[in-house]
Amino acid sequence: DQQVKQNSPSLSVQEGRISILNCDYTNSMFDYFLWYKKYPAEGPTFLISISSIKDKNEDGRFTVFLNKSAKHLSLHIVPSQPGDSAVYFCAASGLQGAQKLVFGQGTRLTINP
Amino acid sequence: EPEVTQTPSHQVTQMGQEVILRCVPISNHLYFYWYRQILGQKVEFLVSFYNNEISEKSEIFDDQFSVERPDGSNFTLKIRSTKLEDSAMYFCATYRGNIQYFGAGTRLSVL
Repeated sequence: DQQVKQNSPSLSVQEGRISILNCDYTNSMFDYFLWYKKYPAEGPTFLISISSIKDKNEDGRFTVFLNKSAKHLSLHIVPSQPGDSAVYFCAASGLQGAQKLVFGQGTRLTINP
Repeated sequence: EPEVTQTPSHQVTQMGQEVILRCVPISNHLYFYWYRQILGQKVEFLVSFYNNEISEKSEIFDDQFSVERPDGSNFTLKIRSTKLEDSAMYFCATYRGNIQYFGAGTRLSVL
C-alpha cells in the first residue's frame, strides 16, 4: 500500500545548483504534506511543510510546491550546500498533520563540492 | 533542544524478552506517536495516542505492543515478547503547530 512514493532513491547535485526532490501520493484525503531530512541513526528532522490549500511554501533556501490535480509535490533546495547531503523523506497526513504520517521511501541526496 | 527525548539510545535484547522504550516531551503535549524504521526501509507508523487513549494503530501494532503514559509525562512503548523482526529504529513523535517532531530514536537489536 504505497500511498506516498518517492521514485528516485538517490540524487547527486553539484554544490550551488538546484536540488529537486519529487514525491507522489494517491490518497486524496491527505491535507498536509511535510518534508523531513534524516541522517543515519537519527530521527527525522522537520524541514518544511505545506497545507493542501496552498500550492507553494518557501522557507529560506527551501521551497515546496504542491500540485493537487497531479497529486505531486516537490522540494527545491537553492543553492545546494554540502551540508544538505542526507536522506529526504516526503510525508503526508490528514487533520492538518495530526493524523499518522505516511512516509515515502526516501531519496538520498548527495551534494558534490 | 529537541521536542522529545528518547531512552535508551540503543537496546539489545534476547528474543522473547520484554522491552520498554521511553519518550519524554519537553512540555505538555496531548498527541504522541510511535514509528519505526527497519534498516533500509521507510519509516512506518505504529500507533498514535491522544489524551491518554490510543487514537489509531497500524496492523504492525498487534497484541505484543502496548503504549501508556505511566506518570503523565513519560510515554512508553512496550513490546512483550520480542521477535527478531522487531529489530529496528523506534521513533517517538509529538505534535505542535501542524508538525510532528521526532526524537533521536532507540535502536532495538533483538538477538
